[in-house]
Amino acid sequence: TQLLEQSPQFLSIQEGENLTVYCNSSSVFSSLQWYRQEPGEGPVLLVTVVTGGEVKKLKRLTFQFGDARKDSSLHITAAQPGDTGLYLCAGGKTSGSRLTFGEGTQLTVNP
Amino acid sequence: GAGVSQTPSNKVTEKGKYVELRCDPISGHTALYWYRQSLGQGPEFLIYFQGTGAADDSGLPNDRFFAVRPEGSVSTLKIQRTERGDSAVYLCASSTGAYNEQFFGPGTRLTVL
Repeated sequence: TQLLEQSPQFLSIQEGENLTVYCNSSSVFSSLQWYRQEPGEGPVLLVTVVTGGEVKKLKRLTFQFGDARKDSSLHITAAQPGDTGLYLCAGGKTSGSRLTFGEGTQLTVNP
Repeated sequence: GAGVSQTPSNKVTEKGKYVELRCDPISGHTALYWYRQSLGQGPEFLIYFQGTGAADDSGLPNDRFFAVRPEGSVSTLKIQRTERGDSAVYLCASSTGAYNEQFFGPGTRLTVL
């Protein structure tokens, strides 16, 4: 059973376009992380959100945690080829527990 | 500072052989996690250590898989009688425990022929 559903699974856009990736669940998480992974490397932590309704910004990336702490979104403004990669959301039920990952969104930004 | 390191980066073995994968966590991180990632999928949890003890091993697929962390730092994931279905990237992560923020190593790509 996949507890975290990510959409879309694949996304190919042109440089300069905006995009949003969604991460949805029927379960409540105490925290939710977004990671970015490149081929041959481990996931790199981008952000952690812990409060319902929380919004965090990291340069051109905006992350939001749903009010009920069941879903999250990642919005990228003016995408660049360097944003290309696999974006993963992951949720933790309690502090220190395992992370449950979504299947990822493979983003390709074409120059 | 130094991140999580994993060795070897690649391991090719034959079906039925035994393998050991090593993880060196970030210094001072008390929690250590092992995940497995198949192509095109997100990582799947295997086992979690808090200090020297396994706090949650419910993700280990069967009794061929075993992991240790004898001194509360370095961990070794051991796979006996490897099968072709064990082929995957094995990821290790460490954490202080706060907010589930886990920091990953580069992974070990295991190929079972």
